[in-house]
Amino acid sequence: GAVVSQHPSRVICKSGTSVKIECRSLDFQATTMFWYRQFPKKSLMLMATSNEGSKATYEQGVEKDKFLINHASLTLSTLTVTSAHPEDSSFYICSARDRWSDTEAFFGQGTRLTVV
Amino acid sequence: AQSVTQLGSHVSVSEGALVLLRCNYSSSVPPYLFWYVQYPNQGLQLLLKYTSAATLVKGINDFEAEFKKSETSFHLTKPSAHMSDAAEYFCAVISVSGGYNKLIFGAGTRLAVHP
Repeated sequence: GAVVSQHPSRVICKSGTSVKIECRSLDFQATTMFWYRQFPKKSLMLMATSNEGSKATYEQGVEKDKFLINHASLTLSTLTVTSAHPEDSSFYICSARDRWSDTEAFFGQGTRLTVV
Repeated sequence: AQSVTQLGSHVSVSEGALVLLRCNYSSSVPPYLFWYVQYPNQGLQLLLKYTSAATLVKGINDFEAEFKKSETSFHLTKPSAHMSDAAEYFCAVISVSGGYNKLIFGAGTRLAVHP
């Protein structure tokens, strides 16, 4: 199957700083990427959807100024958590879909963000 | 909008026993349905998917699921549980919104396997 690499796997940052998470499709061109947030022992909540070269579409209730998403190329999307606070601590997962599929998506291994 | 409901947040089985994880869907159109597995601190791995072909779908690691339109169900089964099957399992459905096909997940079921 297709491989999606997410980096870093874990990050600890101080409150008020910004953190960037990268999501790369290694062996396919990801025309669409998705970012999810997962709270402890909870399901995945879709935060936003992005197409390469376009602005991301955010789900209701997600602050677009806090969670900046960039999908600058067909293999890379980034999520930047700006001015992070302890309540932003969570597990963030990206997934990517290639141009030939309108249903199947491949997931990164996730990033555990801890804001202290 | 499409959605899925997973019945039972925790399921515990003995090693070698049948695994049954329940998922019901709500959709006004023929759905695309998926089962994913998640191990601690990891991403999601696709077990199997239903895309309106055969109603009985076989996946990896001897998992399978049967699409039953009359019951709006897509339950996941495995004949014999292994210790390594202990994980979180998510049922998901494709929902079309804002021009995108998005994966919407159920709440998840944690499977415990005991000796």
